[in-house]
Amino acid sequence: GESVGLHLPTLSVQEGDNSIINCAYSNSASDYFIWYKQESGKGPQFIIDIRSNMDKRQGQRVTVLLNKTVKHLSLQIAATQPGDSAVYFCADTTGANSKLTFGKGITLSVRP
Amino acid sequence: EAGVTQFPSHSVIEKGQTVTLRCDPISGHDNLYWYRRVMGKEIKFLLHFVKESKQDESGMPNNRFLAERTGGTYSTLKVQPAELEDSGVYFCASSVLTLTGELFFGEGSRLTVL
Repeated sequence: GESVGLHLPTLSVQEGDNSIINCAYSNSASDYFIWYKQESGKGPQFIIDIRSNMDKRQGQRVTVLLNKTVKHLSLQIAATQPGDSAVYFCADTTGANSKLTFGKGITLSVRP
Repeated sequence: EAGVTQFPSHSVIEKGQTVTLRCDPISGHDNLYWYRRVMGKEIKFLLHFVKESKQDESGMPNNRFLAERTGGTYSTLKVQPAELEDSGVYFCASSVLTLTGELFFGEGSRLTVL
């Protein structure tokens, strides 16, 4: 079956350091990938997305990298802040109006 | 502008009882999705409405789950009768019907079946 998985369940980083969260997906037909952040008691919040015709996309303090050859997606957070502490999910889909396939989620904990 | 709202935020019921979850999408969003996260696991797709029509219900676990979207506005998800394994957080999300529609999630309805 299809699955999008994360390599590590938790990640602890020092405030100010860069964070890298990795994700593997299995559906070669997926052409749209998204990272979501979920804070306690809230729903998933869009962080950044990337389409399959791109390898890299940058936002404010965040960068998403896509390697279609090995079906790998990563989220880089620069200068990690306490407010970045949350569960991060990667997701993929075959179209903007199609269902998302989520990974299990990884907890990012920022040490002061 | 109001976001996606869900009600109730938390429901505790006994096995065999019925629960109805409600989702009000962002006004004008034709796409409405239901997802579920069971404790410690990934968020799983349940179904997708386009306006009032079910576009994809491949994720519905069994016939104890019934989703409706009357008039293409709000949606309800009924679980009858509830089982222990139905416990989890049910998320609703909505988006506009375009090629690049961002998905907006509600805060979820936590269901606990005892």
